[in-house]
Parts: sequence; C-alpha cells; structure tokens
Amino acid sequence: EAGVVQSPRYKIIEKKQPVAFWCNPISGHNTLYWYLQNLGQGPELLIRYENEEAVDDSQLPKDRFSAERLKGVDSTLKIQPAELGDSAVYLCASSLVRGTGELFFGEGSRLTVL
Amino acid sequence: DQQVKQNSPSLSVQEGRISILNCDYTNSMFDYFLWYKKYPAEGPTFLISISSIKDKNEDGRFTVFLNKSAKHLSLHIVPSQPGDSAVYFCAASGDFGNEKLTFGTGTRLTIIP
Repeated sequence: EAGVVQSPRYKIIEKKQPVAFWCNPISGHNTLYWYLQNLGQGPELLIRYENEEAVDDSQLPKDRFSAERLKGVDSTLKIQPAELGDSAVYLCASSLVRGTGELFFGEGSRLTVL
Repeated sequence: DQQVKQNSPSLSVQEGRISILNCDYTNSMFDYFLWYKKYPAEGPTFLISISSIKDKNEDGRFTVFLNKSAKHLSLHIVPSQPGDSAVYFCAASGDFGNEKLTFGTGTRLTIIP
C-alpha cells in the first residue's frame, strides 16, 4: 500500500513569490492534515480536513496561506506571497476517521525562502 | 505556551542498555498520548500510544508509562539498538486521538554501538 505522497520534496524561492505543495493521502483515509515543522520544533497543525470539509483551520494564517481538498482526496497548500519566516518543512498526514490518533505522515516538503 | 514539553533535546545511550525519554504536559484535557519516531528527511512514524485510562502500554521493546497526577509520560526502549537512533516526539490529544495532536519539541536519541 502506498503511503502519503508529497511534492515537491524541496523548493527554494525568493520572498514575495508564490509556492504550492501537493499531497496525496493513503487511499481510504478521509482525514487529511497539513502540519508545519520549524527547525528544532515539533509539527504544528495548520489545517485538518474531513473529506472535503476543513474542520479545523484555526492555525492557518489566512492572509497568505490557503488550502483546498477538492473531491476529498488530494490536497494543495498554497502560500502567496511567501515570507522569509515561512522557511520550514510542510508535512501532510492522513488518518482514518474515528481512528486511533495514529497519523501517517508524508516525507514533507522543505521550503527555503531567500 | 508549550502544552507538551520534552526538556531533553538529546540523549545518548549505549547499545543494549535502556533508553528513557520523558515528556510533560500541562493541559489536563489531554486524554490520549502518542510517541512518534523521525529519521532524517522522513516524516514522523507512529510508534506507540497510551490512553489516559491506562498507566502502561507495552509493544515489544517499547513501553510507555503514564503518570496522570504528575502529568508525565515516558518511553522506555530496552534493549536499545543502533536503529533506534532518531528524533522522538511526544504528542497529546483530547477525545482519544480524534482531535488534533499537540507535539513536543522532540528528543534526539543516539545509540552508541
């Protein structure tokens, strides 16, 4: 069974440029998460989807960040415009609804903003 | 406000000995706790969990202990193996894992051959 797939793995952009990350969760996993991990920190939730619905986006900086999960499968996280402080690893994870709390993470997308 | 704290950024243990990783939490609403393991350039992977109705859960070489009165949990690895070298994150949630996880900052474990 394929795991959570994320792309791109690495992205380097200049500040004020836009960037987008893509995530394909494990087949059958209705819940999808985007986490942000800064260097030396633990992952922090940005947004959680159950199917197509964003059920928790309280931590998403909505002035520059947006996310979508069309058809309840793949998801895209966008930053526009990017700032220097956005340099981090963006992790996507999926889980079964009403599961054990066990999240399956992708390898992450490392963003560097110059 | 760090609700889940891992106060030891790093830990070195001799191969074959016991590794003990510690985690403290402040939110009394947390009722489900998990440990994740992370290798470089990979996403975290689930290791073991414990519900607040238990004080111990064991899975092979890994045991998690929960002390609710002290708001403290620990992960024991015995015996430690070189492949255990990784960053370990403690995480907590309310509603038995169905709500969002709050992660600690991680402890880098190095197993010395």
